[in-house]
Amino acid sequence: NAGVTQTPKFQVLKTGQSMTLQCAQDMNHEYMSWYRQDPGMGLRLIHYSVGAGITDQGEVPNGYNVSRSTTEDFPLRLLSAAPSQTSVYFCASSYSIPEYNEQFFGPGTRLTVL
Amino acid sequence: KQEVTQIPAALSVPEGENLVLNCSFTDSAIYNLQWFRQDPGKGLTSLLLIQSSQREQTSGRLNASLDKSSGRSTLYIAASQPGDSATYLCAVSFLGNNNDMRFGAGTRLTVKP
Repeated sequence: NAGVTQTPKFQVLKTGQSMTLQCAQDMNHEYMSWYRQDPGMGLRLIHYSVGAGITDQGEVPNGYNVSRSTTEDFPLRLLSAAPSQTSVYFCASSYSIPEYNEQFFGPGTRLTVL
Repeated sequence: KQEVTQIPAALSVPEGENLVLNCSFTDSAIYNLQWFRQDPGKGLTSLLLIQSSQREQTSGRLNASLDKSSGRSTLYIAASQPGDSATYLCAVSFLGNNNDMRFGAGTRLTVKP
């Protein structure tokens, strides 16, 4: 199993550009989520999904969109990039909601917005 | 506000020493608490998961304890090795928090040979 994979590993954007961060898992996990990690702060939840076709907002959802058309994939879209979105983004998955199961994390995407 | 705090932010110890990392949280109503390890430039690796009904979990040289009433958890690492050098993150699932795990900022551990 590849586990949780993310692409790209690094990305530089200009303010106002849009892009999609890809996330896929091959463990048949129902729950998937996106976090951002900023220096000196813990990870913060952006959006999550409890299954295909179901998504919801986390702590910091503004400026991001998600969709979940399949169990395997959970892309994160930046609609109009801003310097405040410079961060490292992590995708995670678990068998069900994380209250009862450990989460598995991808290697991260380091995003810089100029 | 439901918050998770880890102190110290950084810790340096000589190889072979036993050490304790601390995590505190502001609300005792939790589902569980997890400890993760993060190597530089990498994702997070789950180390231990403690359910709210449990007091501790052990895996190899690692032992994590949970005291909900005081809002504290500790991660004990026995006989530390240079390979243990990493950032250790504590994350708490609070009741009624809509699937949102709250993370501490982490403790960066360096084990010197």
